[in-house]
Amino acid sequence: AQSVTQLDSQVPVFEEAPVELRCNYSSSVSVYLFWYVQYPNQGLQLLLKYLSGSTLVKGINGFEAEFNKSQTSFHLRKPSVHISDTAEYFCAVSSSGGSYIPTFGRGTSLIVHP
Amino acid sequence: NAGVTQTPKFQVLKTGQSMTLQCAQDMNHEYMSWYRQDPGMGLRLIHYSVGAGITDQGEVPNGYNVSRSTTEDFPLRLLSAAPSQTSVYFCASSRTGVGYTFGSGTRLTVV
Repeated sequence: AQSVTQLDSQVPVFEEAPVELRCNYSSSVSVYLFWYVQYPNQGLQLLLKYLSGSTLVKGINGFEAEFNKSQTSFHLRKPSVHISDTAEYFCAVSSSGGSYIPTFGRGTSLIVHP
Repeated sequence: NAGVTQTPKFQVLKTGQSMTLQCAQDMNHEYMSWYRQDPGMGLRLIHYSVGAGITDQGEVPNGYNVSRSTTEDFPLRLLSAAPSQTSVYFCASSRTGVGYTFGSGTRLTVV
């Protein structure tokens, strides 16, 4: 079984400040890790994914995440946020074998203030 | 490409009614899934399919049925709607199972 914990339900930040959204996972097997973004009244869009190789993964819109196997974490970062980054962010994990069906965290609401 | 298309976008049902939420994808993806999204709960898996003719239950399958007769379509059936099924429903598909494309959702209210 696998699970995901997003440590913050809401993260307020000022425009142009850096931000980190935290995600921890648990799994008994090797994993794939994902971050998705959901803008209001829309479906989810894939921001970035870690499958293997370099632990630092770059995604769209200037976001990046680092896979830390020893700490079972996959935190999402952006050095300078914009108002348009205001959205819900979901971390997800799937096993690297089997059905690959992802398990999602409960989401972190990023609120960017001017 | 249309991607993943969900219909309807909004629906109001009375308790006890049945209905089918439609999901179609035009990307020839093998993997398809249905999730429900509730405030503070994230996305919870209802049912999924790894190919035509193959379906399996997810975390919250009770009250829902699915079938996968073609690669393109994966309808979700509510057998007898209950207020607890008020939610936003998302269909998603993937070619390899790694990284999903989501539809825009169906907002369902059961009164």
